[in-house]
Amino acid sequence: GQNIDQPTEMTATEGAIVQINCTYQTSGFNGLFWYQQHAGEAPTFLSYNVLDGLEEKGRFSSFLSRSKGYSYLLLKELQMKDSASYLCAVLDSNYQLIWGAGTKLIIKP
Amino acid sequence: GAVVSQHPSRVICKSGTSVKIECRSLDFQATTMFWYRQFPKQSLMLMATSNEGSKATYEQGVEKDKFLINHASLTLSTLTVTSAHPEDSSFYICSARTVSTGDSYEQYFGPGTRLTVT
Repeated sequence: GQNIDQPTEMTATEGAIVQINCTYQTSGFNGLFWYQQHAGEAPTFLSYNVLDGLEEKGRFSSFLSRSKGYSYLLLKELQMKDSASYLCAVLDSNYQLIWGAGTKLIIKP
Repeated sequence: GAVVSQHPSRVICKSGTSVKIECRSLDFQATTMFWYRQFPKQSLMLMATSNEGSKATYEQGVEKDKFLINHASLTLSTLTVTSAHPEDSSFYICSARTVSTGDSYEQYFGPGTRLTVT
C-alpha cells in the first residue's frame, strides 16, 4: 500500500528553526510537495522537489532523498504566523497526490 | 496567476435538501479538478477526480449518487451534495491542475466551502 508518515504535532519557539520530516512509500514517484494549511483555510503551496537535494525559498527550505524515501521541510526564523499544519504529499506513478496526515506546528513566544 | 475560486464559502442548509458548490479556475484551464473533504483536525480526504467532459472517478467509500460532480468546462466543476444530512457537515475543498510541458502537476486549491447541515 501507499503510506506517508509525518509527525502529528511539533512545538517550537519564535525565532528558532524547526525541521518537519516526512517519509513515504508509494507506487512510483513523480515529485513531493509541501503545503501549509492554516485552520479553517485551504492548503497553500510551499515547495516541490523531484530531484535529490535542498531547495531553498526564503525562510523555508525543502530537502529530498529519493533513495531513502525521505523529505524534510525546514523553517527558519520562526514567526507566530507560521503556526499551521504542514502537509507532505507525493505524486505517485499515476500522477495522483498521496497525502500525509499533516503536522500541526505550534509556535510559542 | 493560478487562482481557484469556490462559491459559496459558507452554507447552512436543512437536512434533506441539496447544496451545490462551484469551483472555478480563474486564469487557467484546468484539465483535472479534485474534490476533497476535511473533517476537523483531520487531513484532506480525496473524494473524487474529474476531467473535463468525462465522468468523475470516485474514491472508495464515496457515494457517487450522493455527491454529484459535473466538470462541464475547463474552468468549472460543481459538487452537489444531495439529500444532505448532518454527518455531511464538513469543509469541502476543490483543487485544479493543468498539465503542460514541464509542469510540476501542482494542484491549486480553492478557499474551501464550510457546509453545515442542521
